[in-house]
Amino acid sequence: DIHLTQSPSSLSASIGDRVSITCRSSQNINSDLHWYRQKPGQAPKLLISASSTLHSGVPSRFSGSGSGTEFTLTISSLQPEDIATYFCQQSFSFWTFGQGTKVEI
Amino acid sequence: QVQLQESSPGLVKPSETLTLTCTVSGGSIRNFSWSWIRQSPGKGLEWIASMYETGRTHFDPSLKSRATVSIYTSTKEISLTLNSVTAADTAVYFCARSDHGTAPFDHWGPGTLVTVSS
Repeated sequence: DIHLTQSPSSLSASIGDRVSITCRSSQNINSDLHWYRQKPGQAPKLLISASSTLHSGVPSRFSGSGSGTEFTLTISSLQPEDIATYFCQQSFSFWTFGQGTKVEI
Repeated sequence: QVQLQESSPGLVKPSETLTLTCTVSGGSIRNFSWSWIRQSPGKGLEWIASMYETGRTHFDPSLKSRATVSIYTSTKEISLTLNSVTAADTAVYFCARSDHGTAPFDHWGPGTLVTVSS
């Protein structure tokens, strides 16, 4: 099984801050890593696919990078609607999710 | 715009069988992979199973012995059956769509809460 570890588990930031979240894989997953944002009471929404491809309709303040075993999601300027939990997910070998990173103000 | 909608009985007794249905509207059920994912209260996301239109299925090993998935192309529905449920199966269950083997889940249903309790 491929295990994904996100860090930090939670973070506190201010509106306008640059925020970065890391996702580390227990083995090489090439670029088969995706990022989601989940607001309370809602389903996750796709932000970034294949490590760095911005999903249709997602604001350009979101970006992704990395390959192999280490990946990063960056929000260049945190907005109020970005207060949520973020998950990474791999599709290299079946499907697993990271444990989530809660972003708070 | 494709939409997914899950339905469930809401409350299930321990040891009983849980059946969930996902209805697809606004798009084709063909040529996509359909998955079930759950989220226990306050916890992370757990992939359960995925199914292709061809009938090919994949299951999380920890649930494989208790889970069955089916696809009904005529009614555009996907079902998940989970046998011998326990309190540990209490969760919000989501259905989700992906385009091909390594693609992300690009469309999700809103989720349905299932509580296992006597």
